[in-house]
Amino acid sequence: QEQLVESGGGVVKPGRSLRLSCAASGFTFANYAMHWVRQAPGKGLEWVAVIWSDGNNKYYGDSVKGRFTISRDNSQNTMYLQMNSLRVEDTAVYYCAREMVVEGATHNWFDPWGQGTLVTVSS
Amino acid sequence: DIQMTQSPSSLSASIGDRVTITCRASQRIYSYLNWYQQKPGKAPKVLIYATSTLQSGVPSRFSGSGSGTDFTLTISSLQPEDFGTYYCQQTYTFWTFGQGTKVEIK
Repeated sequence: QEQLVESGGGVVKPGRSLRLSCAASGFTFANYAMHWVRQAPGKGLEWVAVIWSDGNNKYYGDSVKGRFTISRDNSQNTMYLQMNSLRVEDTAVYYCAREMVVEGATHNWFDPWGQGTLVTVSS
Repeated sequence: DIQMTQSPSSLSASIGDRVTITCRASQRIYSYLNWYQQKPGKAPKVLIYATSTLQSGVPSRFSGSGSGTDFTLTISSLQPEDFGTYYCQQTYTFWTFGQGTKVEIK
């Protein structure tokens, strides 16, 4: 079945870096735009970044712009999130999600989502 | 940036009740509005996309409506498995989620 599995989370000190991975299976990864979404403990969902199917276009939320970099390797069916200059407020569960699009239209939604990986930034 | 505001923030309802959650966008988003359900400790799951299209496998007691800036998610007859937090999401300009509505069963 279609599945996304995140990895790479952990505890890191402020100012340090961490790289998350999202491994896809059960669908043609190279055909889809992919997203990262995060959720701070007890809080709501925050969109983080998107990468187009060919990797040529990337966009970021304001809170991570200039610090995080999204990338993908379609040969490995994997997406990444390089997180630099981490802050305490980056503490969250990070989810990857596939972007689904209505054929012939521009409506899109996220499905499926991975199970999430927890990133804790603390001194 | 487009801001999404949901109301109420939480609600408690009985089995069989009709439940309505509203979502307001800070500017017109036409029909670019999705709804997700999240259970504790789990990833969100899409219920409705493009305002009113039910995702495959989602029970028909869920429905969505609205346009422009005001949208509604309705559960026609609340069931025990419907507890959780519901989020709206706009996809007109980038992606933004509402702050969530927590649904509890009385």
